[in-house]
Amino acid sequence: SAVISQKPSRDICQRGTSLTIQCQVDSQVTMMFWYRQQPGQSLTLIATANQGSEATYESGFVIDKFPISRPNLTFSTLTVSNMSPEDSSIYLCSAVGATEAFFGQGTRLTVV
Amino acid sequence: GESVGLHLPTLSVQEGDNSIINCAYSNSASDYFIWYKQESGKGPQFIIDIRSNMDKRQGQRVTVLLNKTVKHLSLQIAATQPGDSAVYFCAGSYGNKLVFGAGTILRVKS
Repeated sequence: SAVISQKPSRDICQRGTSLTIQCQVDSQVTMMFWYRQQPGQSLTLIATANQGSEATYESGFVIDKFPISRPNLTFSTLTVSNMSPEDSSIYLCSAVGATEAFFGQGTRLTVV
Repeated sequence: GESVGLHLPTLSVQEGDNSIINCAYSNSASDYFIWYKQESGKGPQFIIDIRSNMDKRQGQRVTVLLNKTVKHLSLQIAATQPGDSAVYFCAGSYGNKLVFGAGTILRVKS
């Protein structure tokens, strides 16, 4: 099974600023995804991180707000731009290995 | 669109009893379903999965049942332990993406 490391694990940020979250997988994976999990709720897919090309965003999420990079098969970043308190959430990286999808520990973001 | 949802938001069980967590889905296009366990402060952890061509799959103390006729999925945990206390999510695979249900909080009483 793949091990996913996410950092930072948590952060408190001022509104109007941006935060970049990093996701590192310990093995090459085919697919990487970014999810948001608001307090007490389920996971919502933000986008599919495509290696070497622009990410594929789900309805309600746009590249200007959540730019994503995936320069290689094991690494991806998600930036939360121009943050507002409504962006306070847990952001999770996921990778699909040979048989199943794995998740990082998540980044708990609080915007004040 | 797709949706995967749960019947009960919270389930309290006595230690040693069996737990059953239910999940309904609306889109029959999924060929693969997964149960995840999420403990506080952690990411979802894979528990067990099932392909749509199966009705039942067993793991260690866990069993997943799939009823495609009524689009229903359940997770059975045998001899529930305090360490099983967590939020449980079902998820359906649609193409390359997972759609998650709302989640059920499982509380194990000692």
